[in-house]
Amino acid sequence: NAGVTQTPKFQVLKTGQSMTLQCAQDMNHNSMYWYRQDPGMGLRLIYYSASEGTTDKGEVPNGYNVSRLNKREFSLRLESAAPSQTSVYFCASKGEGSYNEQFFGPGTRLTVL
Amino acid sequence: RKEVEQDPGPFNVPEGATVAFNCTYSNSASQSFFWYRQDCRKEPKLLMSVYSSGNEDGRFTAQLNRASQYISLLIRDSKLSDSATYLCVVWGYGGSQGNLIFGKGTKLSVKP
Repeated sequence: NAGVTQTPKFQVLKTGQSMTLQCAQDMNHNSMYWYRQDPGMGLRLIYYSASEGTTDKGEVPNGYNVSRLNKREFSLRLESAAPSQTSVYFCASKGEGSYNEQFFGPGTRLTVL
Repeated sequence: RKEVEQDPGPFNVPEGATVAFNCTYSNSASQSFFWYRQDCRKEPKLLMSVYSSGNEDGRFTAQLNRASQYISLLIRDSKLSDSATYLCVVWGYGGSQGNLIFGKGTKLSVKP
């Protein structure tokens, strides 16, 4: 099992460009998440999906959109990238139950110039 | 008050030392508690869950005090490989839509 995979690993964008970060999990988890991690800020939740077909905003959703394509895949889209979106983006998935572990993908390092 | 607070460190300790990390959380309805470990430029990974009765996994001991809304992690006999950032994580505000809230992490550096 690959766990949680993310593509791309690195990306450089110019201000105003758009892109989609891809995430997939093979653990049959219902819940999937997108976080961003900035120095000194910790992990902040952008969007999450509790099940296929549902998505909800997290702490910092502005400037992002998501799609839960199916149970396996949860993508994050930046429609018009801004330098403030320079960050490391992590996708995660979690099984049911309050003590189930949240598994993270390896992250995407995004720089917006 | 921030939802999950940790001392950012860094904690610089020699090999073999015992080190303790503390964490406080603000929401008394929180249901589950964890310590995650994050190596430099890597994703966070679960280190251990924290149960009300306290739990131990080898050199690592986690404790929870619900009355004080306080979580701790004790590492005994520190190894060089323990160098990482340790994230205190809290889950649940009731119902199935609760999400994990991460502290900003405490950086540990174990020196020879």
